[in-house]
Amino acid sequence: DGGITQSPKYLFRKEGQNVTLSCEQNLNHDAMYWYRQDPGQGLRLIYYSQIVNDFQKGDIAEGYSVSREKKESFPLTVTSAQKNPTAFYLCASDPGGSLDEQYFGPGTRLTVT
Amino acid sequence: AQKITQTQPGMFVQEKEAVTLDCTYDTSDPSYGLFWYKQPSSGEMIFLIYQGSYDQQNATEGRYSLNFQKARKSANLVISASQLGDSAMYFCAMRESNDYKLSFGAGTTVTVRA
Repeated sequence: DGGITQSPKYLFRKEGQNVTLSCEQNLNHDAMYWYRQDPGQGLRLIYYSQIVNDFQKGDIAEGYSVSREKKESFPLTVTSAQKNPTAFYLCASDPGGSLDEQYFGPGTRLTVT
Repeated sequence: AQKITQTQPGMFVQEKEAVTLDCTYDTSDPSYGLFWYKQPSSGEMIFLIYQGSYDQQNATEGRYSLNFQKARKSANLVISASQLGDSAMYFCAMRESNDYKLSFGAGTTVTVRA
């Protein structure tokens, strides 16, 4: 089955540590996205990539970094510079260059204490 | 500036009745798409329905229909014959052709009562 996988579902880290969230898709989509969701709120765009080896900052990129070395993979690193990293993180993808809907992964809930 | 506005934080609906979720949007791009997603408590985002800015007819998908009023920049979601499984958070979103990013509203929580 085609889809987007994110692992792990729940992640716990100590403050000051960097943590990398994985996102893999087998939909052959060119574009991939990372969103952050805080409790009771909508999704905010962190980073997106329209093509391999290229990515752009979204609305809340500070304290985050990404890479896009392969079409299938778009990992997100939450660095120690991110002041409030505890949140629900969703990865998405779409074919790119169109108004098609985005397909979402199941999400990773990150808790930093 | 807020591109998508959902003014109803939460709504209650009786099982088997219809419910309308409001969404207004703001864009100067003539080509755009409007989306509704459902997010149950498990967290995944489920795509429900799509309306293109040039579509003449209102979109329908099973029990979901989109009341598209272009002049008013409104794209309300109607869920007919509500079921207990419809209890979730619902998000309205928009993509513009100039950058293809998806902008989300704050969401509306729907609770279906038996």
